Amino acid sequence: DVKVTQSSRYLVKRTGEKVFLECVQDMDHENMFWYRQDPGLGLRLIYFSYDVKMKEKGDIPEGYSVSREKKERFSLILESASTNQTSMYLCASSLGGKNYEQYFGPGTRLTVT
Amino acid sequence: TQLLEQSPQFLSIQEGENLTVYCNSSSVFSSLQWYRQEPGEGPVLLVTVVTGGEVKKLKRLTFQFGDARKDSSLHITAAQPGDTGLYLCAGAKGNTPLVFGKGTRLSVIA
Repeated sequence: DVKVTQSSRYLVKRTGEKVFLECVQDMDHENMFWYRQDPGLGLRLIYFSYDVKMKEKGDIPEGYSVSREKKERFSLILESASTNQTSMYLCASSLGGKNYEQYFGPGTRLTVT
Repeated sequence: TQLLEQSPQFLSIQEGENLTVYCNSSSVFSSLQWYRQEPGEGPVLLVTVVTGGEVKKLKRLTFQFGDARKDSSLHITAAQPGDTGLYLCAGAKGNTPLVFGKGTRLSVIA
């Protein structure tokens, strides 16, 4: 079974802090994704990566950056956390090519106070 | 632009009832997936449909892809409390990431 793990289930940070969210997948998937999920807004894509050291902006990249130094690990960085970044953050991976099926981690509920 | 519209947004039913939720678009997709998300967890893939008109069954769940590959439906027979969750559809187009609908939140009351 594909396993996607995220470094924290719950996180509380203060405004202005730098925040790192880590995601690791164990199935040698090419593609990795970061989403945030908010009530009424659904899943919104922040960044994605189709290969190591490669990144693409999603629909809402402002205030975020990412890093993919190794194939299995995709990190989301909030350079200076703000209260409007309080959300559920979901990482996902997919095999690549024409296989679009995504496997999600359990999510990190981030609260910025 | 919301390319995938899901309806209804919320659904609350009694155990044993049947239900259908819908996923509609004006765009053609090469494939469409359904996920279920339980509270506090990430979405879990249920099924992928690829061919127009395709029907797939997963126990009491029946998934159908529209003939024109623009829409899909999920029918649940004799719903159980364990079916409670957020049902998301997602469409694949070319080399772009999946497009997700906002979901249908289902509550099955015992």
